[in-house]
Amino acid sequence: TQLLEQSPQFLSIQEGENLTVYCNSSSVFSSLQWYRQEPGEGPVLLVTVVTGGEVKKLKRLTFQFGDARKDSSLHITAAQPGDTGLYLCAGARGGYQKVTFGTGTKLQVIP
Amino acid sequence: DTAVSQTPKYLVTQMGNDKSIKCEQNLGHDTMYWYKQDSKKFLKIMFSYNNKELIINETVPNRFSPKSPDKAHLNLHINSLELGDSAVYFCASSPSGAGPGYTFGSGTRLTVV
Repeated sequence: TQLLEQSPQFLSIQEGENLTVYCNSSSVFSSLQWYRQEPGEGPVLLVTVVTGGEVKKLKRLTFQFGDARKDSSLHITAAQPGDTGLYLCAGARGGYQKVTFGTGTKLQVIP
Repeated sequence: DTAVSQTPKYLVTQMGNDKSIKCEQNLGHDTMYWYKQDSKKFLKIMFSYNNKELIINETVPNRFSPKSPDKAHLNLHINSLELGDSAVYFCASSPSGAGPGYTFGSGTRLTVV
């Protein structure tokens, strides 16, 4: 059973377009992380959100943690080819903050 | 300076063999992990060590045995390799518990033939 469902699974857009990736769960998390993974590399942490309703911005990327701490979204403004990659959300909960990863969203930005 | 380094990057081996993957972190983190990424890119935790103590041991076959000689190292030994073990294995570390987020190594692609 997947605890964290991401949508869409695949996304192919033109450079300059905006997009939103969703990460949904029925479980409450104490924190939620977003990663980007490029082929042949490990995931790289983009952001961690810890407070319900929290919004964090990283240049053209905006991350939001749901009020109930069960879901999150990642919005990219004016996507660039360098944004191409696999985006993973991950929720932490319980002792030692065990992390469960989402199902992933593969983004392709076409020049 | 690589923060989390794992070796080898690629490993091709025959069924039934025993192999090891090594991981080292120079971040001073207390907690280290092994994750398995399948062909659909889903990441699943296998083990976690905090200061050399095993704290997470998911449903992983006994053929997989982690070993942490000190808090900067976490190695993974796999006995009697099977075709289904083929995957990318990632080592990761975090300051203390995974809440703040992980630093991952670049992965070891294991292919069992």
